[in-house]
Amino acid sequence: GAGVSQSPSNKVTEKGKDVELRCDPISGHTALYWYRQRLGQGLEFLIYFQGNSAPDKSGLPSDRFSAERTGESVSTLTIQRTQQEDSAVYLCASSSKTSGGAEETQYFGPGTRLLVL
Amino acid sequence: AQKVTQAQTEISVVEKEDVTLDCVYETRDTTYYLFWYKQPPSGELVFLIRRNSFDEQNEISGRYSWNFQKSTSSFNFTITASQVVDSAVYFCALSEAATGTASKLTFGTGTRLQVTL
Repeated sequence: GAGVSQSPSNKVTEKGKDVELRCDPISGHTALYWYRQRLGQGLEFLIYFQGNSAPDKSGLPSDRFSAERTGESVSTLTIQRTQQEDSAVYLCASSSKTSGGAEETQYFGPGTRLLVL
Repeated sequence: AQKVTQAQTEISVVEKEDVTLDCVYETRDTTYYLFWYKQPPSGELVFLIRRNSFDEQNEISGRYSWNFQKSTSSFNFTITASQVVDSAVYFCALSEAATGTASKLTFGTGTRLQVTL
């Protein structure tokens, strides 16, 4: 079946502009995650959704970052008033749960490369 | 707090050599999961393995093998007879295993493996 998809694949924007990044998870996956990967670094957690709610927003770096998820499917990560330090690859992942409630493995999309000039 | 350390920033080997990637983790959880992901030059993270903290059996999958040692909090990854296609950045990751909630991954900083002819 189809994997996690993200759009756009690349985004170049000017400092101060708002951007929206989209993630389509694997069909049926209840959990959805956003991570950020700065150049040459590991991934840092931003936010996750269980269904349409976001129990853990602890990783959002500032109030310029927000995310929503609708229909237990598509999620949008919005960065307002972008800054140069926001330049990074933004990765989305999704996972399902076992019948016992344990979470399954997270599968990642190809990412959106954001460059803020 | 959880932490994953991949002390090897970059490794270069000649094709057909064996190579081991080190991963050391810290967690206060008694139940957790460990993962390895591969990130080839294309950028997409590819899931390789998931290991439950209760399962210390080593695993072999083709040319890949994993050595999980709870006593030393390590989860090392060995590639036997490396190939050029193995060139990538490899990430070790850790998540708690609480049921009923989704669990963010804590990533190491990655090890870049370069396999040359």
